[in-house]
Parts: sequence; structure tokens; C-alpha cells
Amino acid sequence: SQTIHQWPATLVQPVGSPLSLECTVEGTSNPNLYWYRQAAGRGLQLLFYSVGIGQISSEVPQNLSASRPQDRQFILSSKKLLLSDSGFYLCAWSVPGTVTRQYFGPGTRLTVT
Amino acid sequence: AQSVTQLDSQVPVFEEAPVELRCNYSSSVSVYLFWYVQYPNQGLQLLLKYLSGSTLVKGINGFEAEFNKSQTSFHLRKPSVHISDTAEYFCAVSDRGSGGSYIPTFGRGTSLIVHP
Repeated sequence: SQTIHQWPATLVQPVGSPLSLECTVEGTSNPNLYWYRQAAGRGLQLLFYSVGIGQISSEVPQNLSASRPQDRQFILSSKKLLLSDSGFYLCAWSVPGTVTRQYFGPGTRLTVT
Repeated sequence: AQSVTQLDSQVPVFEEAPVELRCNYSSSVSVYLFWYVQYPNQGLQLLLKYLSGSTLVKGINGFEAEFNKSQTSFHLRKPSVHISDTAEYFCAVSDRGSGGSYIPTFGRGTSLIVHP
């Protein structure tokens, strides 16, 4: 069966520090991968999605970036965090090329102080 | 372009009462609709989905939703709620985007609060 992992679960970082959040998927190959941010009362904001290794689409211009160095690994990064980067970050995957559900990871709670 | 409107940000209800969470969407093409539930500090779980066929869709935990094309709605219902149904509920719509991708758009969410 497929599983999706995210780490860390929680993170407290000072303004201006770098960020690296990791997401890995097991039990499937060539998944579509997604990063979402969830701020209080604002629903889910799609940040990045990827349909293959090295293929990243950015939905929102900001100081975050994403990379997909391996088929089932998706990394969210920042060189310098802002206070506004605080939120709950969710990684998700779906089967490519079909209308289907998304499978979400457990999330990372990021607090920028 | 597709969009989703969840009309209620918060719905309080007493235990064992019925509930309806409203969702309206807009899209220029055929749509595929989803409801997800999110418990505190967790990821989203799929409740149900409409891809085609019967407009009444049954999901997990006793929830159901009805696709109404003329009203562009996909409201979620449960005849009798439990305390454990307290959670955030998200409606999502997906259509075929560029390159054959299906990137869903999510509503802002509705917080269901079940009181004893």
C-alpha cells in the first residue's frame, strides 16, 4: 500500500533562517506531487506541483522554492524565512493522468518567530 | 478557470442533529468534485467524490453529497452528527487543465462544531 511521509512534524524557526521540509511517498511510482500551505482561516493554498523529476510548477510567487531530486521525494525550501511563512504545510500525491483523489501527508506545523 | 465557494466558514450543530455543509463551484468544463475532512493538526482525508454517474454520492462516516449541475452545487449532508465529526471540511473541484493535469481547487473550508 502507498504511504506518504512528511518531516519534521513541527518546526520553530527565526525570521531570516533557511527552511527545508521533506516529503516522501512509498508504494507508487511517478506520482504527481503537491505542496500546499494552510494559514489560519484561509483554506489550502497550492504552492507547487510536480509531474516528474525536475519538473516543478509554481503557483504563487514568493520566497519559497521546491525541488524533486528523486521520483518520490519532494522538498520545500527557503533561503530566508519571513513571518508570513508561518502555517501548516501539507504534501500530497495523486496518480498521474487521471481524475482522482489526492492523498495527503500528516503535515508540518511551521512557526516563524 | 475553476473556483469553489464554501458559503459557511463555521457551522455549529448539536449532536444527533442533521447537518448540511454548502459548496458551490464554477467551471467552464466538466467537473469532478470532492469533499475532504481534516481533523486538528492532521492531513486531509477523502470523504467522498463525484466523477460521473449517480448524482447522489455516499461516502465514509455516514456522509453523502448530491451533485446538482443546474445549481452548480455539491452540498455535503449527514442525517445525524456525532461529537467525533467536529473537524474542518473542504470542498474541491478538479477539471482537466493544461498538459492533461488535474489540479484541484479547494474551498476555504467549513468548520463543523458539534456540541453535546
